[in-house]
Amino acid sequence: AQSVTQLGSHVSVSEGALVLLRCNYSSSVPPYLFWYVQYPNQGLQLLLKYTSAATLVKGINGFEAEFKKSETSFHLTKPSAHMSDAAEYFCAVSDGSGTYKYIFGTGTRLKVLA
Amino acid sequence: NAGVTQTPKFRILKIGQSMTLQCTQDMNHNYMYWYRQDPGMGLKLIYYSVGAGITDKGEVPNGYNVSRSTTEDFPLRLELAAPSQTSVYFCASSYVGGSDTQYFGPGTRLTVL
Repeated sequence: AQSVTQLGSHVSVSEGALVLLRCNYSSSVPPYLFWYVQYPNQGLQLLLKYTSAATLVKGINGFEAEFKKSETSFHLTKPSAHMSDAAEYFCAVSDGSGTYKYIFGTGTRLKVLA
Repeated sequence: NAGVTQTPKFRILKIGQSMTLQCTQDMNHNYMYWYRQDPGMGLKLIYYSVGAGITDKGEVPNGYNVSRSTTEDFPLRLELAAPSQTSVYFCASSYVGGSDTQYFGPGTRLTVL
């Protein structure tokens, strides 16, 4: 069975500091991995996704994530936090085996301090 | 394109009442999904559909029903509302499953008292 673990339900960083949001997955087949962002009172929107091409994936708004099979991780990073990055971030996994379903992590709320 | 639209945005129900949450997408997507989001719990899949006339249960289907008579619409029905169904509900769609991006609606905030 697939699962996703996001370490840290709340993360605070100073404006201009590195953002690191952690995601570890479990999957018995090669996974597809996603990061979504949710701004207050809005739906989720895709930041980036890994679909077995390049292991370093670049997304919108300066975010990127690296797929590390040996560590079963897909951590999200951004070199310099901006106030507008304050939001909730969700990691998700899909195995594409025919179930066509995502499993979402419990989310990490990012706070950016001035 | 409007993308995925959901109505209503907010609703308060009394225990035992029924209601239908509407979801429409204009992207000609085959796959549609209903999730509920509870604080600290992430998103849980309620039902999904891989095409008109085809639906299947997700992780938390109890207390809900769905139908998919057209490609565009995927309504979610609550028959006998219970306080445990207080949540934010999101509809999503994708062209295919697996590696494809899911596009989300703005959500419906439901309170059952």
